[in-house]
Amino acid sequence: AQTVTQSQPEMSVQEAETVTLSCTYDTSENNYYLFWYKQPPSRQMILVIRQEAYKQQNATENRFSVNFQKAAKSFSLKISDSQLGDTAMYFCAFGGATNKLIFGTGTLLAVQP
Amino acid sequence: GAVVSQHPSRVICKSGTSVKIECRSLDFQATTMFWYRQFPKKSLMLMATSNEGSKATYEQGVEKDKFLINHASLTLSTLTVTSAHPEDSSFYICSASRPSSGRDTQYFGPGTRLTVL
Repeated sequence: AQTVTQSQPEMSVQEAETVTLSCTYDTSENNYYLFWYKQPPSRQMILVIRQEAYKQQNATENRFSVNFQKAAKSFSLKISDSQLGDTAMYFCAFGGATNKLIFGTGTLLAVQP
Repeated sequence: GAVVSQHPSRVICKSGTSVKIECRSLDFQATTMFWYRQFPKKSLMLMATSNEGSKATYEQGVEKDKFLINHASLTLSTLTVTSAHPEDSSFYICSASRPSSGRDTQYFGPGTRLTVL
């Protein structure tokens, strides 16, 4: 069975600085997707970034980028130039053959002014 | 973008009554929708997968007779909590899968907070 592990329950970063959130996963599948979702205090889940496992190039969306290490089964999220609006719970998720998402336990990120 | 709505956003009901929550994909057709439950400061727990025109698939431990799911069209799925009890109080979130965005990309509704008195 697939598992997703986020080992950082809480993190804090100063505004305008860079922070990296960690995520590791375990699977025997070769073709899958990985996601980072953001859940701000409003509790609306927002897709931040998506990575296809067959692509070697790391996905980037503006200030958000990932470091995808397939062999190590690692999928970290880097947020550059952190903004107050980035304060949220961040969930790493695995999407495989079952079409279901397996979520990690989340990392609560606080951006300090 | 891909917009998913949920209604109602909040509901308070008495113990023993039933509550229906609607999930709609507003600008795309979703053959598959998902229902999650989230406890405070916890991750999302998948309750069931809803496929248009067929019976929902429930996760282990989820009572199918208590949490009735109907997916009558490509844009609407409903979750009915039957004979609700205080322990059913929670935050319920739906999502819809949009194939054109890549396999398994789910877009989420804003959630429904259910409080059972």
